[in-house]
Amino acid sequence: GAVVSQHPSRVICKSGTSVKIECRSLDFQATTMFWYRQFPKQSLMLMATSNEGSKATYEQGVEKDKFLINHASLTLSTLTVTSAHPEDSSFYICSARSGQGHGELFFGEGSRLTVL
Amino acid sequence: GENVEQHPSTLSVQEGDSAVIKCTYSDSASNYFPWYKQELGKRPQLIIDIRSNVGEKKDQRIAVTLNKTAKHFSLHITETQPEDSAVYFCAAYGNQFYFGTGTSLTVIP
Repeated sequence: GAVVSQHPSRVICKSGTSVKIECRSLDFQATTMFWYRQFPKQSLMLMATSNEGSKATYEQGVEKDKFLINHASLTLSTLTVTSAHPEDSSFYICSARSGQGHGELFFGEGSRLTVL
Repeated sequence: GENVEQHPSTLSVQEGDSAVIKCTYSDSASNYFPWYKQELGKRPQLIIDIRSNVGEKKDQRIAVTLNKTAKHFSLHITETQPEDSAVYFCAAYGNQFYFGTGTSLTVIP
């Protein structure tokens, strides 16, 4: 299947700093990517839909100034957690839909963010 | 919008037995229903999917059934093995993906 790569897999930062997470589609172009947040033993919560060349679409309750999304190319979307606080600690996962086959959704490896 | 419900939230079976996980959806426009397996700390992996023009699909020990009229679909795992232990998510797609709340499956050796 298609490959989506996410980096970094783990990051620890101090409160007040910003952290950038990258999501790349390695073998296909993705005009749309999705960012999810997952709490322990819970489901995937869609945060926003990242659209190449335009503004991201945020889900209700997600602060767009807090979680900056940039989708500058057909293979790269970034999520920046600005002025991170301990409550932002979570598992963040990106995904992209392949244009081949049936358009399945493929996930990145996920990024574990810990804010001290 | 779409609302996907998944049951049960936890499921324990003896090795070799079958496991069934059920999901319901609300939007009749949804036409694609994938199932994902997620092991602890890892990414969700697509294990099987079904489209709205098909009632059943099977891949070795895994099968999915879809009832469009009742708006529910189910995952069936036969001859379960300890490595099947994971969290399973259903999803429904109309214009975007909506995920179920997940089922933690434990296969007891």
